[in-house]
Amino acid sequence: SQELEQSPQSLIVQEGKNLTINCTSSKTLYGLYWYKQKYGEGLIFLMMLQKGGEEKSHEKITAKLDEKKQQSSLHITASQPSHAGIYLCGGAPGSARQLTFGSGTQLTVLP
Amino acid sequence: GAGVSQSPSNKVTEKGKDVELRCDPISGHTALYWYRQRLGQGLEFLIYFQGNSAPDKSGLPSDRFSAERTGESVSTLTIQRTQQEDSAVYLCASSAQGWGTEAFFGQGTRLTVV
Repeated sequence: SQELEQSPQSLIVQEGKNLTINCTSSKTLYGLYWYKQKYGEGLIFLMMLQKGGEEKSHEKITAKLDEKKQQSSLHITASQPSHAGIYLCGGAPGSARQLTFGSGTQLTVLP
Repeated sequence: GAGVSQSPSNKVTEKGKDVELRCDPISGHTALYWYRQRLGQGLEFLIYFQGNSAPDKSGLPSDRFSAERTGESVSTLTIQRTQQEDSAVYLCASSAQGWGTEAFFGQGTRLTVV
């Protein structure tokens, strides 16, 4: 069973639009990772959040972790076709030691 | 090498055969993870090695799956008596100290069972 739930499962936006992807855990997380995956390629590390309330930005991508460390959002401003891919959140929920991933959000950006 | 290396990159095998997948982590990384990704699906955790601790095998789907790691070096994932539902991309990742440090992923091994 997935301990990390991502929404939406897929997202199609017009170039230039903003978008948000959410990741929710039923248990407190030992921080959270965001990765991007292009079809047929490995995973590209985007950001890691460890503290409740933490927010990080890189270029046009901003990720936040809520105070309870059970929910994270990834926000892309002024999306571009290069942002297209599968976005995956990963974390260690509860007392788990392993790094568990959500089922991913497939993002398509239309030019 | 500079990154996580997996071999082979592609493997086609007949149903019932055994396969071995290899992962060379980044040198010095104590933590190593194996994941399975079926077509259009997310990453399914399989097993986690951290230093000399007992591995976390809670994600292995059946006793046909096993993995070994020698110290902090190479790991092999073995699938015995392969079934068609084992067809997937198998991804390996390593990190310097486990949780709290970035996990670097290999390019994966695409396994097809015919």
